[in-house]
Amino acid sequence: EAQVTQNPRYLITVTGKKLTVTCSQNMNHEYMSWYRQDPGLGLRQIYYSMNVEVTDKGDVPEGYKVSRKEKRNFPLILESPSPNQTSLYFCASSLWGGDEQYFGPGTRLTVT
Amino acid sequence: SQQGEEDPQALSIQEGENATMNCSYKTSINNLQWYRQNSGRGLVHLILIRSNEREKHSGRLRVTLDTSKKSSSLLITASRAADTASYFCATDGISNYQLIWGAGTKLIIKP
Repeated sequence: EAQVTQNPRYLITVTGKKLTVTCSQNMNHEYMSWYRQDPGLGLRQIYYSMNVEVTDKGDVPEGYKVSRKEKRNFPLILESPSPNQTSLYFCASSLWGGDEQYFGPGTRLTVT
Repeated sequence: SQQGEEDPQALSIQEGENATMNCSYKTSINNLQWYRQNSGRGLVHLILIRSNEREKHSGRLRVTLDTSKKSSSLLITASRAADTASYFCATDGISNYQLIWGAGTKLIIKP
C-alpha cells in the first residue's frame, strides 16, 4: 500500500531534550516536506527536499533540522525543543514539488 | 511569507445544498491544489488545476481558476454529511517548489 508513515504519532517531551520525528514513504517520490499546523494558521512549511542530499528552508525553519540521506526517509530533528514548537506536524511526499502531496497521519508534539 | 487566503473561514449548510469556498493568492503560480482534512488527520488531495486551465471537475467537485484575479473557487455539489471537514488550497510558485497554504475553510454539513 502506498503510504507515508510518521513516528511517533504522539510525543510529550520537555524543553531542551533533543528529539527526532521519522518520516518514510514507499512511493519512490523525489519531493518530501515537513509542515506544522497550528490553530488558525493553516499549514506552514518547515523544510522541503527536492531529492537526496537537497534540502531547502520553508517558511518556519528556525529550531528545526532535516536530512535526506536516502530517498525514502526525511527525518525532522528538534535539537533543543521549546514550548512554541508544540504543534501538529505532518510529513508529505510527492513525485515532484508541484504535484499531488501524500500526507502522513501526523505527529502531535507537546513540549513542556 | 506569501500565504493564500481562504474565504469564508467557516461555512455551515444543510445536507444537499452546494458549498462554495474561495482561495486567493499573491504571486504567479504553476499549479493550485485543493485538499480536505478531517479533524486533525492527514490532508487528502482533492484536485489539482494548472495555471493554464480555467475549470476542472472531479465527481461532485468543480474547481475554477482565474489567474488574472489570482483566485480559485471550489464548489461541492449536493453536499453530504461526510463532506464535513476543513478545506485548504495550496499553490506553488513559478520560481520554486515551496508550497504556500491557505488557512482553510471549515465546512459543516448539517443533516
